[in-house]
Amino acid sequence: GAVVSQHPSWVICKSGTSVKIECRSLDFQATTMFWYRQFPKQSLMLMATSNEGSKATYEQGVEKDKFLINHASLTLSTLTVTSAHPEDSSFYICSARDLANIQYFGAGTRLSVL
Amino acid sequence: AQTVTQSQPEMSVQEAETVTLSCTYDTSENNYYLFWYKQPPSRQMILVIRQEAYKQQNATENRFSVNFQKAAKSFSLKISDSQLGDTAMYFCAHPTNAGGTSYGKLTFGQGTILTVHP
Repeated sequence: GAVVSQHPSWVICKSGTSVKIECRSLDFQATTMFWYRQFPKQSLMLMATSNEGSKATYEQGVEKDKFLINHASLTLSTLTVTSAHPEDSSFYICSARDLANIQYFGAGTRLSVL
Repeated sequence: AQTVTQSQPEMSVQEAETVTLSCTYDTSENNYYLFWYKQPPSRQMILVIRQEAYKQQNATENRFSVNFQKAAKSFSLKISDSQLGDTAMYFCAHPTNAGGTSYGKLTFGQGTILTVHP
């Protein structure tokens, strides 16, 4: 299957700072990538759809100014958590959709805000 | 709106035995895909199997197979000869075929935690 790389796998930051998470499709081009948030033993909650060359589409209740998404190329999308607070601590997962409409997932990023 | 329901929060099975995970869904689309993903303790989401709705034949991938009942909107996953490495959380998922920015957006079930005992 296709490979999606997500970096970093774990990040600890101080409250009020910003954190950037990268998601790369390594062996295919992805015009669409997705960003999810997951709490322990729960399902994935879609935060936003990232479209190459255009603005991201955010799900209801997700703050656009808090979670900045940039999809500048066909292989890279980034999620920046701005002015992070302890309540933003979570597991964030990205996925990239291929031409067959299959989503391949990154390994996830554990964010801990102190 | 699409919904996906997994009614078994947790299941367990003995090694080498067979287990079936249930999934039901609701959709207004006629031609669509369905997926099963597994998330082991590493939390890496892995595609297990996919089914195309227009195909009557149930998909099979080695020890994994599905029972797809389109009229009943049911999509269960059968794991044969269970192995310790099958221990994971399993998610049933359905992507939308809607156009525009919603294309390919996945709706996930609540997940089933499967534990394989030695």
